[in-house]
Amino acid sequence: NAGVMQNPRHLVRRRGQEARLRCSPMKGHSHVYWYRQLPEEGLKFMVYLQKENIIDESGMPKERFSAEFPKEGPSILRIQQVVRGDSAAYFCASSPRTSGRAFDTQYFGPGTRLTVL
Amino acid sequence: DAKTTQPPSMDCAEGRAANLPCNHSTISGNEYVYWYRQIHSQGPQYIIHGLKNNETNEMASLIITEDRKSSTLILPHATLRDTAVYYCIVRVRNYGGATNKLIFGTGTLLAVQP
Repeated sequence: NAGVMQNPRHLVRRRGQEARLRCSPMKGHSHVYWYRQLPEEGLKFMVYLQKENIIDESGMPKERFSAEFPKEGPSILRIQQVVRGDSAAYFCASSPRTSGRAFDTQYFGPGTRLTVL
Repeated sequence: DAKTTQPPSMDCAEGRAANLPCNHSTISGNEYVYWYRQIHSQGPQYIIHGLKNNETNEMASLIITEDRKSSTLILPHATLRDTAVYYCIVRVRNYGGATNKLIFGTGTLLAVQP
């Protein structure tokens, strides 16, 4: 079974450019989460999505950041007009569809390391 | 979600059991204890979770005290590859609400020594 896949693994952008990070959840998982880990800091929740819906975006910066999880294809985290402070590791996690008794344990991908020059 | 307290670092000799404590004195009845670890620069890896009974899987054992205010993750035979930051997280069981986010603390850096 393939795990959570993220690409690219490393991304270099110049200030002002756009960064697009992709996440393909595990097979059978319909919930996706994005987390950010700044250098020498802990993991911080950004956004939680189900197919075609944003459920919780309480951790997303108010400007320049957006996320989507379309009906078909991977989830995309988009950062417009990147700045040096956006340099971080971005991790995606997925969990199964939730039912009354199902656990929603999150399984993480390997991350995308974004470097802004 | 309840807050957790973990020691910042621990050492363990290779081949010995590693016992990682976690204090969650404000845990409520419907909150579970989850453990994840992050090996350097990799994505966090799920280890185990429990509510009130002790749990064991192929990776580790989880011992939760009777009052549920603390727990211990046990790696029975630590190897060098178990060197990582271990996170103890308490969270409400999800029933489809907007409470799915994991709140990571600073964790415990476990260094397994040869």
